[in-house]
Amino acid sequence: ILNVEQSPQSLHVQEGDSTNFTCSFPSSNFYALHWYRWETAKSPEALFVMTLNGDEKKKGRISATLNTKEGYSYLYIKGSQPEDSATYLCALLTGTASKLTFGTGTRLQVTL
Amino acid sequence: GAVVSQHPSWVICKSGTSVKIECRSLDFQATTMFWYRQFPKQSLMLMATSNEGSKATYEQGVEKDKFLINHASLTLSTLTVTSAHPEDSSFYICSAIVAGDGTDTQYFGPGTRLTVL
Repeated sequence: ILNVEQSPQSLHVQEGDSTNFTCSFPSSNFYALHWYRWETAKSPEALFVMTLNGDEKKKGRISATLNTKEGYSYLYIKGSQPEDSATYLCALLTGTASKLTFGTGTRLQVTL
Repeated sequence: GAVVSQHPSWVICKSGTSVKIECRSLDFQATTMFWYRQFPKQSLMLMATSNEGSKATYEQGVEKDKFLINHASLTLSTLTVTSAHPEDSSFYICSAIVAGDGTDTQYFGPGTRLTVL
């Protein structure tokens, strides 16, 4: 059983703050690392697919980095806004029939 | 693009009845769909992989006779929870991969909350 861990479990920041959270995973048999954003009552939305060690991807105020050798990925949000409030999930792809193993997520709450 | 719908969004049923959940890819063809279950404060747990025109592949510990999966077309997969019991109460969510997409990105439906009384 693969162990994908995310920390912190929850985070409460004020509007304008920058924040980051971590996804840790076993570095063996790595194929790709996915990040999703899941707003309440909506479908999880794909943010990034990261495959190469040292990868850095950006989408607006959100960016992510990847270290496959030590088995972690960081997600950064710059200048948090209330609409960033969501649960952020990471998921590990080990190349076995496209199956993803998810972490439990980091729940972000951004207040005014 | 890449929208996945799921129906119903919530369902309450009596113990012993069967419940069918539909997962549809609205604007793309999905040769592969996935079914997940999420218990409170836990991660999404893969139940099975559904391939169009063939039998689903179930994860270890998931009863195939309990959770019937049918993927009869490139846009529809169904999950039937047979003889549901209170312990089957959970959040069920499906996802689909765009045929020919090399990124393995999964596009999710909004999920179905099942409550078995």
